[in-house]
Amino acid sequence: GEKVEQHESTLSVREGDSAVINCTYTDTASSYFPWYKQEAGKGLHFVIDIRSNVDRKQSQRLIVLLDKKAKRFSLHITATQPEDSAIYFCAASGAYKVIFGKGTHLHVLP
Amino acid sequence: NAGVIQTPRHKVTGKGQEATLWCEPISGHSAVFWYRQTIVQGLEFLTYFRNQAPIDDSGMPKERFSAQMPNQSHSTLKIQSTQPQDSAVYLCASSLHGGNSDYTFGSGTRLLVI
Repeated sequence: GEKVEQHESTLSVREGDSAVINCTYTDTASSYFPWYKQEAGKGLHFVIDIRSNVDRKQSQRLIVLLDKKAKRFSLHITATQPEDSAIYFCAASGAYKVIFGKGTHLHVLP
Repeated sequence: NAGVIQTPRHKVTGKGQEATLWCEPISGHSAVFWYRQTIVQGLEFLTYFRNQAPIDDSGMPKERFSAQMPNQSHSTLKIQSTQPQDSAVYLCASSLHGGNSDYTFGSGTRLLVI
């Protein structure tokens, strides 16, 4: 079945530095790649997405890159802040079902 | 807009008992999705309703699990004869048009089977 591999299970960065989370997917039919953030005891909160017709998207401090040939995508968080600390999930989707990676626990250290 | 509401937030059941989890989607959203979240497996798709009709239940365990959407304002996930391995956070999401790009998740129900 479809799989999404999230390469970093934990990631620690210093406040102000950049964080990069990498994911790969298996289903060539995937065309939509959202990212979600989960804070302790809460549900998933959408942060940014990218569709397969582009290879880069930026929203403020968040940048998503997509390499369709390599079936790889990544989330870059620039100028990290303490409130960025959370679990981040990458995901891939075709029509409606969203397949998630296992999450990256990002720690932003002071 | 209260978002997607899931109740209860926490549930503890004894092995062999039944558990019913509730989800109230955002008003006007046509699609409801259920996911299960565990440390080991991560987020697993369970089932999907659109306009109250079951569309895809490919992720539902064949036994003991069932889901319904009797009206547009709520969906239920029922687990019969609960087992310790059913312990997980069960997340519900709704979507306006049934596509993948506007999922809104609830806060989840944390189920513990002892």
